[in-house]
Amino acid sequence: DAKTTQPNSMESNEEEPVHLPCNHSTISGTDYIHWYRQLPSQGPEYVIHGLTSNVNNRMASLAIAEDRKSSTLILHRATLRDAAVYYCILKYGGSQGNLIFGKGTKLSVKP
Amino acid sequence: KAGVTQTPRYLIKTRGQQVTLSCSPISGHRSVSWYQQTPGQGLQFLFEYFSETQRNKGNFPGRFSGRQFSNSRSEMNVSTLELGDSALYLCASSLGPDSYGYTFGSGTRLTVV
Repeated sequence: DAKTTQPNSMESNEEEPVHLPCNHSTISGTDYIHWYRQLPSQGPEYVIHGLTSNVNNRMASLAIAEDRKSSTLILHRATLRDAAVYYCILKYGGSQGNLIFGKGTKLSVKP
Repeated sequence: KAGVTQTPRYLIKTRGQQVTLSCSPISGHRSVSWYQQTPGQGLQFLFEYFSETQRNKGNFPGRFSGRQFSNSRSEMNVSTLELGDSALYLCASSLGPDSYGYTFGSGTRLTVV
């Protein structure tokens, strides 16, 4: 399975944008890039996913490098509720559907 | 709509016992996956079920098993419990195995003493 590399932790100030990086240099053409986050004492929560083009939804934006070897999750205005562990996951676009979680990035948001 | 429901929320068992955990997926979701989360190993995939068939299995011993019923509800069973089985067990559901969004439950916290 292709692997992802994320910083262990990041800090942000409330109401400022946050850019969470992810490297996936061994990504294959059929791998989708998924982001999940896990708030304290909860199960992971789907954030966003993409294949080649940048994606936006109500929670975040996903910027994918042209060579697809890296991506960045963008939270436009961090709130205290965004403090969580963020996981960048490559998911094979075929029938093998399980998610392979890495260590993720623990995001702290300061008021 | 109701989310993914896992029961019980907390469980304490003794070494050597067996345990059954339950997961009710979101209505209309037919795929259910199970994950184990521990501080040391993080989130690890256990198995995935779709239409009552196991489609995928992670690298866990045979003591870990599961099944899915015709209404898509799923159970996982761990036999001969070991101290190392203490973990948060999470269930996730999706429309199907090729779906792009998984919805997780809040998990069952299992403590083995």
